[in-house]
Amino acid sequence: DAGITQSPRHKVTETGTPVTLRCHQTENHRYMYWYRQDPGHGLRLIHYSYGVKDTDKGEVSDGYSVSRSKTEDFLLTLESATSSQTSVYFCAISESGSFTEAFFGQGTRLTVV
Amino acid sequence: SQQGEEDPQALSIQEGENATMNCSYKTSINNLQWYRQNSGRGLVHLILIRSNEREKHSGRLRVTLDTSKKSSSLLITASRAADTASYFCAPSGGYNKLIFGAGTRLAVHP
Repeated sequence: DAGITQSPRHKVTETGTPVTLRCHQTENHRYMYWYRQDPGHGLRLIHYSYGVKDTDKGEVSDGYSVSRSKTEDFLLTLESATSSQTSVYFCAISESGSFTEAFFGQGTRLTVV
Repeated sequence: SQQGEEDPQALSIQEGENATMNCSYKTSINNLQWYRQNSGRGLVHLILIRSNEREKHSGRLRVTLDTSKKSSSLLITASRAADTASYFCAPSGGYNKLIFGAGTRLAVHP
C-alpha cells in the first residue's frame, strides 16, 4: 500500500470550532488532494496541492483552507465547522497529477454537532 | 468541467455474469482513469487509458475509450461477490485536478 496516512480517523466536533485534518505521505509525490464524500454523492474535490506552498481550489472549497509547508504533509482546516461539513474526508496523492494513478487514504469521518 | 458521469447509477447482477458501466464526459481528454471503492474505504485505482488507446485489459477488466463519442466503458467479466463496490471514472484534460463523478454502485449476488 502507498504510504498515506490520514489523522484523525474519526472526530466529533462542535459547530463553530476550528478543525484540522492531516494527510501525511511517505511517497514523495508532488500532488495531494482533499475530497469529501457524502451519502449518494461521489467524491468532490475541496482543494489540491501541486507542490510545497502551491495550492488551488477545487469544486467545493468554501469554508475550507489548506496548507502545505512540507512535501509530506497536506493540512485541511475547517475555519468554523458547520453541520453541513459533516462528511467523510479523503486525501489522495499522485506523482504527476491527473496523468498518473492516485492513491487514497483510509478516510476521516468528521461529525459536526 | 472535466467531470465524468457514470451510468447506470446502480447495477445488480448475479455472480458469473458480466457487468458493464459507462462514463461520459464533455471536454477533450488526455487520459481517463477508473477506480473502485469498497464500502467506506478509499478509492483504489483500476486502469488508466490514454486518449490514443481504444482498449485496455487488466485481468477480468476491460476498458474501452471512444474519444469521438466522449465515452468510456468498464467491463467486468465473470463477476464475483467481491466485485461489489462503487466504480468511478475520472476523465482528465491534462490539468492538475482529479475530478470524479457520482459513480456506479455494483451489487453482485451469490
